Order: sequence, then C-alpha cells, then structure tokens
Amino acid sequence: QTVVTQEPSFSVSPGGTVTLTCGLDSGSVSTNNYPSWYRQTPGQAPRTLIYSTNTRSSGVPDRFSGSIVGNRAALIITGAQADDESDYYCLLYMGPGILLFGGGTRLTVL
Amino acid sequence: QVQLVESGGGVVQPGRSLTISCAASGISFPTSGMHWVRQSPGKGPEWVAVIWHDKTKKYYADSVKGRFTISRDNSENTLYLQMNSLRVEDTAVYFCAKDGPHWGRDLAYWGQGILVAVSS
Repeated sequence: QTVVTQEPSFSVSPGGTVTLTCGLDSGSVSTNNYPSWYRQTPGQAPRTLIYSTNTRSSGVPDRFSGSIVGNRAALIITGAQADDESDYYCLLYMGPGILLFGGGTRLTVL
Repeated sequence: QVQLVESGGGVVQPGRSLTISCAASGISFPTSGMHWVRQSPGKGPEWVAVIWHDKTKKYYADSVKGRFTISRDNSENTLYLQMNSLRVEDTAVYFCAKDGPHWGRDLAYWGQGILVAVSS
C-alpha cells in the first residue's frame, strides 16, 4: 500500500517563506502524479489551491506556488500571513481511479 | 457561484445502508466529473470514488469497493453515493467535489460535507 508523506507540522514567521513537501514512501513524485494541494481550517471544507504541480486555482493569491523539488512535490507560501494557519493536504494521482491524499501538514504562523 | 450541497447523512447501524446526495449548482454538471471524498474525525481526507460526466467510468477506493456505488442524475444535477454494509470505520464527513481540469486527477470545488455516523 503506497503512502503519501507530508511533514506533520511546520512553523513560519509572519512575512516569511515556507516550503511544504509531498512525497512517496517508495518512489519519486513527478508531474505525472498531477500533484494538487488543498488547505483546510477546522470545521470547514477543503479548498483547492494548486492543480497539476503548479497551476493556481481561481482566486488563489500568487503567494502560493507549486513545484517539484527533488523527488517531492512542493507547496511554497511566501509572505506568510496569520490566516495561512491551516492544514495543508496534497493529493497524488497514481493511476486510473487511484487518488491518494497525504496525511497533511499543520502550518502555524507565529 | 458554485454550490455543492450534500444531504442525507445521519446515524446508521453497522451492516445497514444509506444513500447520500449532492445537489450541484453554478457548474455545468452534465459535463463535470464528480467525486466523493471522506474525512474521519481528526484524520486527513480519503478519496472514495469518481464518476465520469457521462457515467462511462466509475472508480472506487479499495476500502469501499463492492460496498459503495456512485451514481448521478444529469437531468437533476445531482450526485449520489449508495453505501451498503456500512462499518464503524465508514464514519466520516462525506464531501462531494467537482472534478478538476485534469479528468479524474484533481478536485476543483468542494461541498461543505455531511456527517455519516455508523454506530450501534
């Protein structure tokens, strides 16, 4: 059973830059996995941030960007703001009808 | 404005069945793939199922295969998830989501979710 890995938690200072990553317990993440990113605050539905590695969803500020770094997908947040405090999840496409979420990263801004 | 509104959740006993629905507006539902995603209390999301816009393809997570059935009514802009042989571990908030731009590879818009609790 493939596992998608994310840092359980991360902290960033206001105005700072943070890179959250998304990997596979065995193998590398590539653009063929169409990595996408979602954020969720407690009690709310997830919101889509990034599609297909680096395409921002409608209305998402350009402080959020995506890329492949080494063998992992990455979500980069620049100019971190207090309301960026959320849980961030990546989703990987592993083949027809196989979509796997990572365990999520809880981002703290302080 | 995109709206996906789930309904039909509640408390159900193990082994019983339940069907939840998702009413869509603000999207071209007949041309949109649709997904169900669930999230158990305190856990991350888990993808459950997808149905192509024209119903020609349906895929399921291994954890629900053979027990859950995804379907849709394009004339009513409504998505369904029929859940049979429910287990305690199926307890979760169930979200419907519109397919993203890459045909079953990502998710664009999410509903607010509906709670399904499986308990005796």
